[in-house]
Amino acid sequence: EDKVVQSPLSLVVHEGDTVTLNCSYEVTNFRSLLWYKQEKKAPTFLFMLTSSGIEKKSGRLSSILDKKELFSILNITATQTGDSAVYLCAVVSGSARQLTFGSGTQLTVLP
Amino acid sequence: DGGITQSPKYLFRKEGQNVTLSCEQNLNHDAMYWYRQDPGQGLRLIYYSQIVNDFQKGDIAEGYSVSREKKESFPLTVTSAQKNPTAFYLCASRVQGEGYGYTFGSGTRLTVV
Repeated sequence: EDKVVQSPLSLVVHEGDTVTLNCSYEVTNFRSLLWYKQEKKAPTFLFMLTSSGIEKKSGRLSSILDKKELFSILNITATQTGDSAVYLCAVVSGSARQLTFGSGTQLTVLP
Repeated sequence: DGGITQSPKYLFRKEGQNVTLSCEQNLNHDAMYWYRQDPGQGLRLIYYSQIVNDFQKGDIAEGYSVSREKKESFPLTVTSAQKNPTAFYLCASRVQGEGYGYTFGSGTRLTVV
């Protein structure tokens, strides 16, 4: 059975802090790893990672994948209160390319 | 504008009733998916369909049923056999092939009263 594990489950920081969110996975026929931000409703797409060691960057957010260790991290620098959300990691696998999600990390950024 | 429309946004069901959640997309996507999200948890796959008139069970299909009679539509029925149906339900679609452009609907929150 495919499995995606995120840590920590929750995190409380102050504005300006840097955070690192972790995602490990065990899946059959890995295709890619996706990071999403979910505030109230539908998840919004952040990154797609397919190759090891290539950092994806968007503003204060960055992510990298290690296919040997089956691991990805999402970094957020200079956090803001608007970064408060649940961050979901999902792995695309199989011929149907279905997503297997982790349980998410609840990030709370205090002013 | 292209996208996925889920309706209703909120749904209340009495125990023992079947309810159907609607998911319509105008993106011309081949594959469609239904996910369930419980508080503090990630999304779990209920059913998915890669082409019209074909669908497959996901990890938690028991108590649910789907149909895919049209490319644009993938309704989910929550039957009375589903013991704990209160949850947030998300529909997603994706173009077939190597592209991974998943699009999510805005979700339906189902509550059993």
